[in-house]
Amino acid sequence: GEDVEQSLFLSVREGDSSVINCTYTDSSSTYLYWYKQEPGAGLQLLTYIFSNMDMKQDQRLTVLLNKKDKHLSLRIADTQTGDSAIYFCAESNQAGTALIFGKGTTLSVSS
Amino acid sequence: DGGITQSPKYLFRKEGQNVTLSCEQNLNHDAMYWYRQDPGQGLRLIYYSQIVNDFQKGDIAEGYSVSREKKESFPLTVTSAQKNPTAFYLCASSPRGTGPYEQYFGPGTRLTVT
Repeated sequence: GEDVEQSLFLSVREGDSSVINCTYTDSSSTYLYWYKQEPGAGLQLLTYIFSNMDMKQDQRLTVLLNKKDKHLSLRIADTQTGDSAIYFCAESNQAGTALIFGKGTTLSVSS
Repeated sequence: DGGITQSPKYLFRKEGQNVTLSCEQNLNHDAMYWYRQDPGQGLRLIYYSQIVNDFQKGDIAEGYSVSREKKESFPLTVTSAQKNPTAFYLCASSPRGTGPYEQYFGPGTRLTVT
């Protein structure tokens, strides 16, 4: 079945780059997504990438997609303490009716 | 001010009682979703609805029920049959269509059953 895997924790220092990795199983997903969740809140969409792209850049965020290896990564440049949150990778299910989320990576940024 | 509202933010119930969580959206979205979030488990899909008067079970529907009588509302009932109901519940909505499948999330309801 469809599955999305992420490492659970990442700790970086303020000003460094953060790289959060994700692997997924469904190669038919048209879009792949990164969501952010701050403590006690809902999720908000950070960015997405179309499956025929290798890279997408949006200000401090860079998404890399390796479709052959089914590997997705999110790079946050110049990480700030306000970036501390849980980051979820997601893909569409095969029917295209719902999203499948990974377990989330908790990013901790120290000053 | 468009968005999704969930109420209440915190809910406490005794074991054996049914409880209904509210989710309302004014984004004119066709699709709505309920997720459950437990520490270290990520989000797991409970139920979803692509259109009014229709809904489908997600991965963990047992012990839950929903209705979709109005486009803007998708309440979730946690029944006494749900063996471990204490969790953070998130509601989401999205427009139908073939574009980027962005889901908009509500702020969540933290349910504690004792």
